[in-house]
Amino acid sequence: GEDVEQSLFLSVREGDSSVINCTYTDSSSTYLYWYKQEPGAGLQLLTYIFSNMDMKQDQRLTVLLNKKDKHLSLRIADTQTGDSAIYFCAESHSGAGSYQLTFGKGTKLSVIP
Amino acid sequence: GAVVSQHPSRVICKSGTSVKIECRSLDFQATTMFWYRQFPKQSLMLMATSNEGSKATYEQGVEKDKFLINHASLTLSTLTVTSAHPEDSSFYICSAGRGPDNEQFFGPGTRLTVL
Repeated sequence: GEDVEQSLFLSVREGDSSVINCTYTDSSSTYLYWYKQEPGAGLQLLTYIFSNMDMKQDQRLTVLLNKKDKHLSLRIADTQTGDSAIYFCAESHSGAGSYQLTFGKGTKLSVIP
Repeated sequence: GAVVSQHPSRVICKSGTSVKIECRSLDFQATTMFWYRQFPKQSLMLMATSNEGSKATYEQGVEKDKFLINHASLTLSTLTVTSAHPEDSSFYICSAGRGPDNEQFFGPGTRLTVL
């Protein structure tokens, strides 16, 4: 079955860049996502990338995809204390208009003031 | 746009009782809704996929008689945890699919605590 792996913790100083990494096993993945979850809240979609793309940039966020190695990363530039949260990597493959997401366990980002 | 609400946000109940959680897409119609469960410090696990007007499809290991899902309209799906036990305590999150690719939008989640 599909598997998505992430490191569990990351700690960075405010103002530095954060890089959260993710690996997945399903070679038929069509979309790859990054979600943010603040304590006690639901998931917020941060960004996503199609599998035929290598990079996507959206303001402070940069997503890099290495499809050959099945490696996805999320870089947050100028990390702020408000970025402290759990970040989930997820993958999906569409089929018949209804697709399901497989999530990693999440990386807890702690930003040190 | 694409707002999904859940109600209640928190619920505490006694063991043996049933609890209903509602998931609503507020500004779009959702043919498909998904129910996830999240254990502390763990990932989201898909429980079931519900399509409006038909029976839900449950993931392996999820008891369909215990977790009743109803998707009666294009904007509302409900999850009923029947005869709840302390091990059912968890964070339940729904998502609603929009558009031809069923892009998912997540609700804020419901924290269930069974005493």
